[in-house]
Amino acid sequence: EPEVTQTPSHQVTQMGQEVILRCVPISNHLYFYWYRQILGQKVEFLVSFYNNEISEKSEIFDDQFSVERPDGSNFTLKIRSTKLEDSAMYFCASSGRARGETQYFGPGTRLLVL
Amino acid sequence: GENVEQHPSTLSVQEGDSAVIKCTYSDSASNYFPWYKQELGKRPQLIIDIRSNVGEKKDQRIAVTLNKTAKHFSLHITETQPEDSAVYFCAARGGADGLTFGKGTHLIIQP
Repeated sequence: EPEVTQTPSHQVTQMGQEVILRCVPISNHLYFYWYRQILGQKVEFLVSFYNNEISEKSEIFDDQFSVERPDGSNFTLKIRSTKLEDSAMYFCASSGRARGETQYFGPGTRLLVL
Repeated sequence: GENVEQHPSTLSVQEGDSAVIKCTYSDSASNYFPWYKQELGKRPQLIIDIRSNVGEKKDQRIAVTLNKTAKHFSLHITETQPEDSAVYFCAARGGADGLTFGKGTHLIIQP
């Protein structure tokens, strides 16, 4: 069964550094998402992406964040200047060819900002 | 925006008994309600979902009920087994794309 994959599984960075988190959505999916989960808290929506543009973003997704689909398979989340509070598990998700289909999650990238 | 409340935060049941987890939502426009199971250190996995045009859906030992008038939905697990131990998240989605999650329920199955 195809799955969403993410790299790296863990990333440690210094405050102020840029990080890029990578995701490979399920191959025939058209809708892509990023969520984050601060340790011990609920999963929070960051952004959704469809047809090469952002379709929705939350209040968390400020100017420090950006997303990109640089090629036909990868979907990336960039944090320009990391803060301590960006430390969290970041999940990528994808869903099928129509709006509103089930979202399938990747294994996550645990980001630690020191 | 949407707000989802989930109870209880921890639920301990004897193996073989039933478990019920409840969620309420605030946005009457929400029309899709998935439940995810997350084992320690792993990805959230969809276990069942329901759309607002039905009141109940069942898949083997798992069922979900939806009360649109009261804006609440519940997960029912019957004949619980040790492998059911995990954190369960409810979520809701309305006209937007992103899911709004509850805070999660840590389900513990006692042998």
